[in-house]
Amino acid sequence: EPEVTQTPSHQVTQMGQEVILRCVPISNHLYFYWYRQILGQKVEFLVSFYNNEISEKSEIFDDQFSVERPDGSNFTLKIRSTKLEDSAMYFCASTLFPPGQGGYAEAFFGQGTRLTVV
Amino acid sequence: AQKVTQAQTEISVVEKEDVTLDCVYETRDTTYYLFWYKQPPSGELVFLIRRNSFDEQNEISGRYSWNFQKSTSSFNFTITASQVVDSAVYFCALIDNAGNMLTFGGGTRLMVKP
Repeated sequence: EPEVTQTPSHQVTQMGQEVILRCVPISNHLYFYWYRQILGQKVEFLVSFYNNEISEKSEIFDDQFSVERPDGSNFTLKIRSTKLEDSAMYFCASTLFPPGQGGYAEAFFGQGTRLTVV
Repeated sequence: AQKVTQAQTEISVVEKEDVTLDCVYETRDTTYYLFWYKQPPSGELVFLIRRNSFDEQNEISGRYSWNFQKSTSSFNFTITASQVVDSAVYFCALIDNAGNMLTFGGGTRLMVKP
């Protein structure tokens, strides 16, 4: 069964450092997403990405965040200068079709990267 | 704007009891999709079911069943004969036809005691 792969599974970083979270979406999928879950809280949308550009982003996704699809297989989330409040589980997801065409019905989530900022 | 409410933050049952997790949603769209995900202690999100707004048939899958009622904007999830392995946080989520993101409810932590 195809799956979305995220690396690393756990990352510890010092406040102010840059981190890059990596995701390998399912190979023929075209739409990519990052979500965040602060410990004990609900899962929140960060950003969606299609055709090498951001489709939509939430208020959480400020200038400290960026996404990239550098090589046609990886999809990365960069946090430029981490803050304590960035500590969370970050989930990557991908779909083949756009959500408006029911594509999100087939969204696959990765297993998550737990980011701890100290 | 869309919203998902899971009023039960935590439920504790004894093994073999039936349990229902409530989900109420809000959306202005007539076309939308509803989901349930399970998040075990290991942290990943496990897809359980999706339902589109035009399909109000209830669904049963083993010990799991879902009751979708558009009239009350609810999509409740019942586990029959609960087991310890069912202990997890369960999230209800919604995406509408115009949206580009899943909106999750706050989750319900289910604890099944032996």
